[in-house]
Amino acid sequence: DAGVTQSPTHLIKTRGQQVTLRCSPKSGHDTVSWYQQALGQGPQFIFQYYEEEERQRGNFPDRFSGHQFPNYSSELNVNALLLGDSALYLCASSKTGDSYEQYFGPGTRLTVT
Amino acid sequence: AQSVTQPDIHITVSEGASLELRCNYSYGATPYLFWYVQSPGQGLQLLLKYFSGDTLVQGIKGFEAEFKRSQSSFNLRKPSVHWSDAAEYFCAVGARGTSYGKLTFGQGTILTVHP
Repeated sequence: DAGVTQSPTHLIKTRGQQVTLRCSPKSGHDTVSWYQQALGQGPQFIFQYYEEEERQRGNFPDRFSGHQFPNYSSELNVNALLLGDSALYLCASSKTGDSYEQYFGPGTRLTVT
Repeated sequence: AQSVTQPDIHITVSEGASLELRCNYSYGATPYLFWYVQSPGQGLQLLLKYFSGDTLVQGIKGFEAEFKRSQSSFNLRKPSVHWSDAAEYFCAVGARGTSYGKLTFGQGTILTVHP
C-alpha cells in the first residue's frame, strides 16, 4: 500500500513564475491538506480539500490555490512566486471522520530565485 | 486560535541518556495533541497522540508523552535515547469540533545524539 506521494521532489523557479505541486493521498483517504514548512520553522496549514472543494484555509494569500480531483489527488498552485515562498510543501491525507489521523508525504522542496 | 510553543530549539544528549522535549500549548479547551518526528529530507511521522482518557500516552519507538492540563503541557519523553533518534521533533495541536483536522505546529526541537 503506497503512502502519500508527492511530485516533484525538488523544484527551482524564478520570482514571478507560477508553480504546481501534486499529491496523491494514501489509499482509502479522501481528504488532502497542504502545509508550508519554511526553513527552521514548523509546518503551517495552507488549506484542505474534501469532495473537490476547499473546506478550510489558513492565513495564506489568494496566490495560493488548489484543486482536488475525483480520484482524491490534489494540486497546489502558487502564482506570482516570491522569494519568501521558498519552502518544503507537505501534503497530508486523511479519511472523513478521522481527520486527525493524518499521513504526511515526503514533501516538495521549492526554491524561488 | 490555538498556538504551540517548543521552548528548546536544539537539545543534545548522549546515547543511552533519558530525553524530555517540552511542549506548551494555548487553547481554550483541551485540544487534540500530537508529536511528530521529521528526519532530514523526510516528511512527518506521527509518534503519538492524545485525544482523551489516560493522560500518559505511549507511542512508537519507545516514546511516551504526558498531558498536564494544569500546565498546558504535553512533554515527550524517552528513557534511553538511541543514535537513530536524532531528528527534529514537532509538537502539534488540533482544535476539537469542526476544524476538520487542521494542525498547528510548534517551531520544532532539533535533537542531536552523541555516541
